[in-house]
Amino acid sequence: QKEVEQNSGPLSVPEGAIASLNCTYSDRGSQSFFWYRQYSGKSPELIMSIYSNGDKEDGRFTAQLNKASQYVSLLIRDSQPSDSATYLCAVNVRNSGTASKLTFGTGTRLQVTL
Amino acid sequence: DTAVSQTPKYLVTQMGNDKSIKCEQNLGHDTMYWYKQDSKKFLKIMFSYNNKELIINETVPNRFSPKSPDKAHLNLHINSLELGDSAVYFCASSHLAEETQYFGPGTRLLVL
Repeated sequence: QKEVEQNSGPLSVPEGAIASLNCTYSDRGSQSFFWYRQYSGKSPELIMSIYSNGDKEDGRFTAQLNKASQYVSLLIRDSQPSDSATYLCAVNVRNSGTASKLTFGTGTRLQVTL
Repeated sequence: DTAVSQTPKYLVTQMGNDKSIKCEQNLGHDTMYWYKQDSKKFLKIMFSYNNKELIINETVPNRFSPKSPDKAHLNLHINSLELGDSAVYFCASSHLAEETQYFGPGTRLLVL
């Protein structure tokens, strides 16, 4: 079983719709969860982090975490063509004083159509 | 005002050669990382240094040797390059106490 799983897509949504991206993880000790956006040929860019169960909103983005189900999701409201990218879910199992060791999923490619 | 920079941006070389990639960050971070992203876009950590000390060393062939001359620089030397080493190598940095990592632009390595 992969440590962090995502559907590779592509996930196609029309402009203005809500895009829903999902991620599951296997390590129950995971403490921190991140969503990175990666445009083709570019480096990953952090867009959301979430640490506790529930929802966290930032502009058009909402991250949702359910530790009991080992599930984290990202909702993008009012999707724009500029949101078309690969979205990487990353999970951190961190021991005090040690480096942040992120485990990434393989990413979901999002296509926002006109 | 580049935060995390890498050189070179592209590297095309023959099998068996030795090459180095350099990374520099001007964010004042104390921790730096090397990641490898393969052709299927899977991003995997290789190494991490904190204040010049190696703190994460994943299962990576001995042909890969990181070096950190100071906390703002982290280099990656690869000996005897193989076809399977072709990938994009990303450098990243963070504060040890924080979890947000900032990525460099990547070095695209192609081994022929």
